[in-house]
Amino acid sequence: DSGVTQTPKHLITATGQRVTLRCSPRSGDLSVYWYQQSLDQGLQFLIQYYNGEERAKGNILERFSAQQFPDLHSELNLSSLELGDSALYFCASSATGGFPDTQYFGPGTRLTVL
Amino acid sequence: SQQGEEDPQALSIQEGENATMNCSYKTSINNLQWYRQNSGRGLVHLILIRSNEREKHSGRLRVTLDTSKKSSSLLITASRAADTASYFCATAGISGSARQLTFGSGTQLTVLP
Repeated sequence: DSGVTQTPKHLITATGQRVTLRCSPRSGDLSVYWYQQSLDQGLQFLIQYYNGEERAKGNILERFSAQQFPDLHSELNLSSLELGDSALYFCASSATGGFPDTQYFGPGTRLTVL
Repeated sequence: SQQGEEDPQALSIQEGENATMNCSYKTSINNLQWYRQNSGRGLVHLILIRSNEREKHSGRLRVTLDTSKKSSSLLITASRAADTASYFCATAGISGSARQLTFGSGTQLTVLP
């Protein structure tokens, strides 16, 4: 158990809809990272938050947004969903916000868009 | 595009044998990390090696890094059926967006009992 929790575990929705994925980092970790894993794209970094502020952006679509709250949990919002958004979404956390050090991954949320 | 590329894509060995996976990358790095993923589950951090290190050990794992060749290898000795998983290398670049972890496509290791 990494100490990172993600909810829900599974999500099935329709095209055009909006969903919110939630992540709670390990106790004491200030950085939260979001990744998307799909068969064709592999594991892609989406966005990082550090202590409530956006720190880095990767291949995140404009339809996607995230935030980190004062209690350090984070939410990833996916809107206007398309079939191609079906994937595993992982959250990871680390203690620092600088160069990537050891990241602790959550169990993931499997999103299916029908 | 992905920075690290693992080789081979798939590896099947007998329990007790050693497994070697390789990773090549393209740009200068701050560190390189190896992660394991059991089917459909979260990634588990195995080992981190910094750009000024050449070799690192952790239990049955041995990682080497050759920055001149931009490559790394992960050796798992005396493999067990429980080692069956996908193994990913991830590189942390030194500037800009490359500072984020970039994952390779992974090696699927199957250890047969």
